[in-house]
Amino acid sequence: QSVLTQPPSVSAAPGQKVTISCSGSSSNIGNNYVSWYQQLPGTAPKLLIYDNNKRPSGIPDRFSGSKSGTSATLGITGLQTGDEADYYCGTWDSSLSSGVFGGGTKLTVL
Amino acid sequence: QITLKESGPTLVKPTQTLTLTCTFSGFSLSTSGVGVGWIRQPPGKALEWLALIYWDDDKRYSPSLKSRFTITKDTSKNQVVLTMTNMDPVDTATYYCAHRGRDFDYWGQGTLVTVSS
Repeated sequence: QSVLTQPPSVSAAPGQKVTISCSGSSSNIGNNYVSWYQQLPGTAPKLLIYDNNKRPSGIPDRFSGSKSGTSATLGITGLQTGDEADYYCGTWDSSLSSGVFGGGTKLTVL
Repeated sequence: QITLKESGPTLVKPTQTLTLTCTFSGFSLSTSGVGVGWIRQPPGKALEWLALIYWDDDKRYSPSLKSRFTITKDTSKNQVVLTMTNMDPVDTATYYCAHRGRDFDYWGQGTLVTVSS
């Protein structure tokens, strides 16, 4: 059972927009920065968003992040078939003194 | 260019101790603010945060695994080592090491470790 809660799957058509939620508590999301990772099939995770809403160099602005209270959201616009992947949220948990990840969300681009 | 690569045995027996090495380049683990972490992923399952070591030798562990894990660094060799005792079949997973700058911003390719007799 993951500390952070994500929907198991989401889907949308090419060109559309999708959001993926990540729910936590005051000991993690509520008081720490959130990151988002994309894991394409058979590959290592890749950092998409850090510090709630910042994109590393090379990440297109189709990907966005936001945080409100103890929840965070990843948004992807202009969906492409190449966006089909598993997406994970991650943050620090001050009570555990360790990092935590969500259970992952599988994105299907129909 | 930052790169990391995991190495170690691909098969271990239950109760054995596993030692994984992360060899990296493109950064120094003596630079303030930098860390290297370990994350694992059982087949078909989610990522699991394991351990993290910082440039100043501060170490953090997942509470549920802390008693079995030890993370160390060798700055001169650009290596971080994760040792896991009393391995069990449920520890079968791909183990990743990752550079922690802006969170885990660079990852190794991962190494699959199978625990089986």
